[in-house]
Parts: sequence; structure tokens; C-alpha cells
Amino acid sequence: QITLRESGPTVVKPTQTLTLTCTVSGFSVSTSGVAVGWIRQPPGKAPEWLGFTYWDDDKRYSPFLRSRLTITRDTSKNQVVLKMTNMDPVDTATYYCVHLYGDYADHWGQGTLVTVSS
Amino acid sequence: EIVLTQSPATLSLSPGERATLSCRASESVSIFLAWYQQKPGQAPRLLIYDASKRATGIPARFSGSGSGTDFTLTISSLEPEDYALYYCQQRINWPLFTFGPGTKVEIK
Repeated sequence: QITLRESGPTVVKPTQTLTLTCTVSGFSVSTSGVAVGWIRQPPGKAPEWLGFTYWDDDKRYSPFLRSRLTITRDTSKNQVVLKMTNMDPVDTATYYCVHLYGDYADHWGQGTLVTVSS
Repeated sequence: EIVLTQSPATLSLSPGERATLSCRASESVSIFLAWYQQKPGQAPRLLIYDASKRATGIPARFSGSGSGTDFTLTISSLEPEDYALYYCQQRINWPLFTFGPGTKVEIK
């Protein structure tokens, strides 16, 4: 059974860096064909893809946020980490970790609401 | 950037009725379109991928069709648990896998 769980701060201040960790179970982030990504959803709005990492460490980022995003894997802990720099109140959203199947998000974490406020 | 437009914004139907949701792309996405269902306070759930393939565990009353720029999600007979928000998403154009704005299916 595939599960994903996001963890990290619920509140960050403007200009700070957000670090979220996705701990997965039921699969390995280093198994051939596996991809894990991040999607966020501002309150009352549609989801938005941020980026994802493949099993071979190939990464893809949203061009709108590429300069602020870093996605890394910790294969020893079976985790994927998202870092987003220079946070702004418009980045307030629920951040989801997802498992990809054919580049679709077929399994989602429960999500974590991150509020950017001073 | 490929823009997805969903219609209607809100669909008011009674249980047992047929629901037809539309998703239109600003340019062709071939068959690379998915539908997700989201209930309040929950993460989205993948229903349909590659335009017409049901994801694991999705009931047969959900079906998808279309290709190119016009797609349809049909719920053949609405069950109480189907009242939710539905999003379409294209994956042909990475790094811009865009979502549509959503259609809300509400109880009439």
C-alpha cells in the first residue's frame, strides 16, 4: 500500500525558506520508474504543479518557480524534500506530496497547510 | 502554456441523474488528460487518466472520453458520495502540467 506523508512548518515568515519532507512507504524512491512530486493548492483555488524527481534523480520544475525550488531525495530514509526560497504570502497553500504514475498523480499525501505571515 | 477551461462551473443534479462535465484545452493535448475528484478537506483523487482509463478502484459509473482539445467526464448515475469538485489536468506539456479551474457538482 502506497502512502505519502508531508511534514514541516505550518507557518513561515516572508523571505524565509520553506522546507517540507515527504516520507513515503509502500515503494522505494530509488526503484526504476518511480517518480515523486509536489503539488500545491492555494485556498479555494485549483492545484498547481511545482515539480518532481524521478528514480534516477532527474528533476523537473515549474518554470514559474524554478529559481526558487529545489527537490532532493534521501534514499536512505525513503524521503523526498522540497525547498522553496523567498516565501511570500501568495505562497500560502496546502502542499501535497504525490506519487506519479505515467506522470499523473495517482497517490497523494494528506497535504500540509503552509501559511506565510509575519 | 496550455490553458484548460472547464464547464459548467457548477452542476446541480439530483442523485441518480447523469452528470456530464467538460474540459477544453487551448491546444491539443492528444489523450494526455486526467480527471481528479476532490472533496472538502481532502486531497484530490485520480479518477481517469489518458482521457478514458479508469484509475485503480474507481467505480464503473465514472467514464472519460475525448482527445485533442475536447474532453468529457461522465458520471452515469450520481451517488451521494459523488458530490464534489472535479478537476481536469493535462500532462503533455511539461514543465507546465496545468489543471483546469474545476467544476463543482452539487445536490439539486
